[in-house]
Amino acid sequence: RKEVEQDPGPFNVPEGATVAFNCTYSNSASQSFFWYRQDCRKEPKLLMSVYSSGNEDGRFTAQLNRASQYISLLIRDSKLSDSATYLCVVTTSGTYKYIFGTGTRLKVLA
Amino acid sequence: EPEVTQTPSHQVTQMGQEVILRCVPISNHLYFYWYRQILGQKVEFLVSFYNNEISEKSEIFDDQFSVERPDGSNFTLKIRSTKLEDSAMYFCASSEAGFYSPLHFGNGTRLTVT
Repeated sequence: RKEVEQDPGPFNVPEGATVAFNCTYSNSASQSFFWYRQDCRKEPKLLMSVYSSGNEDGRFTAQLNRASQYISLLIRDSKLSDSATYLCVVTTSGTYKYIFGTGTRLKVLA
Repeated sequence: EPEVTQTPSHQVTQMGQEVILRCVPISNHLYFYWYRQILGQKVEFLVSFYNNEISEKSEIFDDQFSVERPDGSNFTLKIRSTKLEDSAMYFCASSEAGFYSPLHFGNGTRLTVT
């Protein structure tokens, strides 16, 4: 089983739609979780950290479910500029690396 | 906002040549990393570095690779004898304090090995 798994998509949604992505992780000792976005041929940019109680930043909401070992990202009122690849990133106790999922590609259509 | 800077943005080299990729992490960050991304593939961990030594390295990071912090600001990745399969985007990243804080990435160096 992969350490961090994401549905690669693409998710094609109309402007204004709500879209959600999930990311599963295999190691129950995983301790920190992040969502990044990556535009084509650019560096990953931090979208938000994911906290145990869930957290919101404007149109973006992140949730963590430790029992089922997944995190989610909800985007409300999608904009054309939200089109990108969304990367799930996990760190695990006892290791010194951040592990990336393969990413989920989102296309917001006019 | 402070940022991680990488040079050069694009490096073309011939197979077998040595390359050095350079990075200046954010000044108050303590942990430094190199990642690479082959076109169309996932972001892959290469190495993490803290307190002037390697904390962890991946299977990709074999004897052809080395890292160095030669002074108080630069962090370099050296590939001793490049192979065609080393062609990728190489990202430097830093984090403020351990693994609860997020990674901040540089713009990357696109390495093309011919």
